[in-house]
Amino acid sequence: AQKVTQAQTEISVVEKEDVTLDCVYETRDTTYYLFWYKQPPSGELVFLIRRNSFDEQNEISGRYSWNFQKSTSSFNFTITASQVVDSAVYFCALSEVHPYTGANSKLTFGKGITLSVRP
Amino acid sequence: NAGVTQTPKFQVLKTGQSMTLQCAQDMNHNSMYWYRQDPGMGLRLIYYSASEGTTDKGEVPNGYNVSRLNKREFSLRLESAAPSQTSVYFCASSEIRYSLTNYGYTFGSGTRLTVV
Repeated sequence: AQKVTQAQTEISVVEKEDVTLDCVYETRDTTYYLFWYKQPPSGELVFLIRRNSFDEQNEISGRYSWNFQKSTSSFNFTITASQVVDSAVYFCALSEVHPYTGANSKLTFGKGITLSVRP
Repeated sequence: NAGVTQTPKFQVLKTGQSMTLQCAQDMNHNSMYWYRQDPGMGLRLIYYSASEGTTDKGEVPNGYNVSRLNKREFSLRLESAAPSQTSVYFCASSEIRYSLTNYGYTFGSGTRLTVV
C-alpha cells in the first residue's frame, strides 16, 4: 500500500523567511508520480508540481523549489522569501502509474501542513 | 471553462436523510474520483472509477455508493447520512494518456456537507 507522511502539521514563519515542507513516501511501485498541492483559505486545490519517479532533477519555479531524493523516499518543498499569500495548507501526494499506458491512477495524500506566514 | 463541476457547493442534512452529490467533467477524462477532506486527515479516497462502467472502493467507502452514469458524470450517494459524514467532498478526474505537460488531475471546487 502507498503512504505519504507529512510529519510537520503546522509551521509558522515571519515574512521573508525561507521554509521547507517535508514529505516522505512509501510505495512498492517502481514507477509513480509525486505531487504538491496548495489549498488556500478559499478551499480549492491548486496544483504546484508533478514529478515522475524517473526524474530526480530538482526543480525551481520562482520562489518555489523541490528536492526529490529516491534514496530517502523524500520530496521536499522549499519556499524562499515567504510571503503572507503563501499561507495555506500544503499537501504532498503520490499516485500509481499504469505500467502500459502511463496513466495516472488514484492519488494518496499526506495529511497536509498548515503554513502561516506572519507579516 | 473546461473542468470539473460539483453540485451543490453547500448542503445541510439531517441524520438519516439521503442525498446525491453530482460531479461532471468536460475534459473527456476516463478516470474519476471522490475524496473527502477532514481536518488533520488530508484527502481520503472514497470511491473511484477507472473508466466508464467500472467503480472501485477506496480507503473510506462505508456509508457511500457511487454511480458512473456515463463518461462525464460520477455521482456519490449517501443513503442515510450520519454526523460522521460531515466533511468537504472533492470530485476529481484524471487523464489516461501519458503526458509530460498535463499534470493529470483536475479537482472540483468541493462540496461542504454538514450532517446534524
